[in-house]
Amino acid sequence: DTGVSQDPRHKITKRGQNVTFRCDPISEHNRLYWYRQTLGQGPEFLTYFQNEAQLEKSRLLSDRFSAERPKGSFSTLEIQRTEQGDSAMYLCASSLGPAQTSEKLFFGSGTQLSVL
Amino acid sequence: DAKTTQPPSMDCAEGRAANLPCNHSTISGNEYVYWYRQIHSQGPQYIIHGLKNNETNEMASLIITEDRKSSTLILPHATLRDTAVYYCIVRVGRDDKIIFGKGTRLHILP
Repeated sequence: DTGVSQDPRHKITKRGQNVTFRCDPISEHNRLYWYRQTLGQGPEFLTYFQNEAQLEKSRLLSDRFSAERPKGSFSTLEIQRTEQGDSAMYLCASSLGPAQTSEKLFFGSGTQLSVL
Repeated sequence: DAKTTQPPSMDCAEGRAANLPCNHSTISGNEYVYWYRQIHSQGPQYIIHGLKNNETNEMASLIITEDRKSSTLILPHATLRDTAVYYCIVRVGRDDKIIFGKGTRLHILP
């Protein structure tokens, strides 16, 4: 257990539905990252936060995706109007942030999304 | 895109040292080399990182060539629990996100 919690572990939804995932990082960690991983591929960067500020979003993140970290603690990732291509493992990671010159990321176990 | 090249898979006998190579020929002077691994159905796990010098911790050793264009992760006594995908990553520093490639799938053989 790394201390990063993700909920739910598994989500099955129908195409066109909206889904929301939650990530609770390690409490003192300022940075929070979202990645997406499909079978046989490495994790793909989606976005990351420094406290409540969203610092960068990947071009992979279409308008259907939105992420928030309202109080600089937990974060949510919402996918609207899901498509079958959204089926993947969604991983969250946290780190201490810019005070550290070399940053270790701690990952959660992920949320597996299946879009039918 | 990932800035590293790794073999897609490797085998190692249990109890032997596993040596995982990584090429990063375009690495810049301020870029660190990080290694993570991912065991099936889990998120990636940090192993070790380095800039210029060789590094060792309780999990592994990292050997970086003098020109810094390649490195080797060494698991000194591999066990079946070391079966995983190992990712080699280069990263500028604290403001640069971590980009994963496809990694090396390491099989530890009993």
